Amino acid sequence: QVQLQESGPGLVKPSETLSLTCAVSGYSISSGYYWGWIRQPPGKGLEWIGSIYHSGSTYYNPSLKSRVTISLDTSKNQFSLKLSSVTAADTAVYYCARSRGHSYGFDYWGQGTLVTVSS
Amino acid sequence: QSVLTQPPSVSGAPGQRVTISCTGSNTNIGAGYDVHWYQQLPGTAPKLLIYGNNNRPSGVPDRFSGSKSGTSASLAITGLQAEDEADYYCQSYDSGLSWVFGGGTKLTVL
Repeated sequence: QVQLQESGPGLVKPSETLSLTCAVSGYSISSGYYWGWIRQPPGKGLEWIGSIYHSGSTYYNPSLKSRVTISLDTSKNQFSLKLSSVTAADTAVYYCARSRGHSYGFDYWGQGTLVTVSS
Repeated sequence: QSVLTQPPSVSGAPGQRVTISCTGSNTNIGAGYDVHWYQQLPGTAPKLLIYGNNNRPSGVPDRFSGSKSGTSASLAITGLQAEDEADYYCQSYDSGLSWVFGGGTKLTVL
């Protein structure tokens, strides 16, 4: 059974960098699939942040591209998100998820982690 | 403003059929990209309900079905049950924006 688990600080100061990790179990991230990050501000809808292919190719939401970096750590079977220069607007529940490709949707999701941007 | 447009809310009585629409454009749904649907129960992560326009992952009841035509897609739920009360999101791919979601629809079971 594939499982994803997000981890990272729950509180980040404005202008700093948000860093999250998604640990994957039950599947080797180097074997295939896209690995993505999606966020949901409190009371609002879902927003795709970006995805990384198992080969290392990255794809980012154009509205966030200048601030986002997604990377793989195959030795630990995990992938990470870095979002720089955060503001209160980046406060959200952050989910990591897996996708076979844009014809398949995101089939496995982490439980999500709330990140609050506040001084 | 989401790239994919959904009604903010829909409602129906137990046993009834409801549909949720998802309207896109010629750069996403109309360009032939597949549509997927997610169900999000309160306080939980989204769950894939329909992928590739009309395919159900293992374990999803056949009360849920999807369709796509032109620049729009729809999710239909028949035999509505109290446990179906949730937020529903459509998702597709956009040639300029990559993965995109609809704004979400809150389903209320009366």
